[in-house]
Amino acid sequence: GEDVEQSLFLSVREGDSSVINCTYTDSSSTYLYWYKQEPGAGLQLLTYIFSNMDMKQDQRLTVLLNKKDKHLSLRIADTQTGDSAIYFCAETPDQTGANNLFFGTGTRLTVIP
Amino acid sequence: DTEVTQTPKHLVMGMTNKKSLKCEQHMGHRAMYWYKQKAKKPPELMFVYSYEKLSINESVPSRFSPECPNSSLLNLHLHALQPEDSALYLCASSHPLGHEQYFGPGTRLTVT
Repeated sequence: GEDVEQSLFLSVREGDSSVINCTYTDSSSTYLYWYKQEPGAGLQLLTYIFSNMDMKQDQRLTVLLNKKDKHLSLRIADTQTGDSAIYFCAETPDQTGANNLFFGTGTRLTVIP
Repeated sequence: DTEVTQTPKHLVMGMTNKKSLKCEQHMGHRAMYWYKQKAKKPPELMFVYSYEKLSINESVPSRFSPECPNSSLLNLHLHALQPEDSALYLCASSHPLGHEQYFGPGTRLTVT
């Protein structure tokens, strides 16, 4: 099966930038996603990137994709206490239709006031 | 309406009980999913329905029985569960021509 790895923990100070990293093994990944999960809640889709792109920016979020190294990152600018959560990267080999998402292990981001 | 709703939010059941989890969306999505998430772990896919037909069953034990009565509803019937089945059960949906999956808030299940 697909392996998607993330570091488990990240702490940053409020106002700093956060960078969450993810590595994956499946070279046929078509879309790669970042989801946010707050305690006791479901998953919120933050952003995604198509595999033929290398960067996508959406307000405070910047996604970088290095397909050669199978490395994905999420940069959060001006990190706020409300950004404290677990962040999952996920990938799917399918372009459309019902598909399986393969999730990373999750990174717990703690924002220190 | 851009959300997936799940009921109940919490459920405690004994090993001999029969209960059901319910998921609903009104976004016109025709693919719906059940995921199981244990504490401190990522979600794991259980079932996928596409156009109300079961398309993926990830070797889930028969004590979990999914049902998709119409394009907006997805149920998960539970019977004779084990304590290790305690987890957060997440429902998701996606558009038939899209790829993004949108998740509900989950049902926190405890089996005693």
